[in-house]
Amino acid sequence: EAQVTQNPRYLITVTGKKLTVTCSQNMNHEYMSWYRQDPGLGLRQIYYSMNVEVTDKGDVPEGYKVSRKEKRNFPLILESPSPNQTSLYFCASSLWGLDATNEQFFGPGTRLTVL
Amino acid sequence: LAKTTQPISMDSYEGQEVNITCSHNNIATNDYITWYQQFPSQGPRFIIQGYKTKVTNEVASLFIPADRKSSTLSLPRVSLSDTAVYYCLVGAMDSSYKLIFGSGTRLLVRP
Repeated sequence: EAQVTQNPRYLITVTGKKLTVTCSQNMNHEYMSWYRQDPGLGLRQIYYSMNVEVTDKGDVPEGYKVSRKEKRNFPLILESPSPNQTSLYFCASSLWGLDATNEQFFGPGTRLTVL
Repeated sequence: LAKTTQPISMDSYEGQEVNITCSHNNIATNDYITWYQQFPSQGPRFIIQGYKTKVTNEVASLFIPADRKSSTLSLPRVSLSDTAVYYCLVGAMDSSYKLIFGSGTRLLVRP
């Protein structure tokens, strides 16, 4: 089944404890991205990747890192999480990022709470 | 990048047709119009996409007038399970390849 998977789905952690949220897609998509969703603020893009080893900042990249060593994986890294990073996170992928007609496939989401 | 404006919320009843309009006055010649649906605590899901006139699939219809400055997502005979947030995106990939979602329209379908 074509899908985007994220792990973990739920995570409660404490301030400053490094964490990684994994994202994997099995559709051979070139474009992948991370979003966070907060009440009243909608979906905001954190980072995106056009292809392997190519990443760039979205609208809210502060406090996050990403890597794209393999085409299928795009982990989101929080080196020193803070309470303002408590949010619902979504990973998404599409065939490529150069065409606005590309359908974005979203993962199921990761609900992160930073205490 | 074309800015979109949608109603914040809409209410409907089961069995009714729902029309959600999106304004995009600055749409560019090459821009497409795409709608996504998001259920609570789930990722958005592609519903429909169009460039002009009318597009229909098994879920919805998309009406785009000749000037393309607006578009209307039409959901026929809604059910409770259509309660969701609906996002309109236009020319979603700008020169930086960022995908920008607006605030969306929260549709509540009542029994």
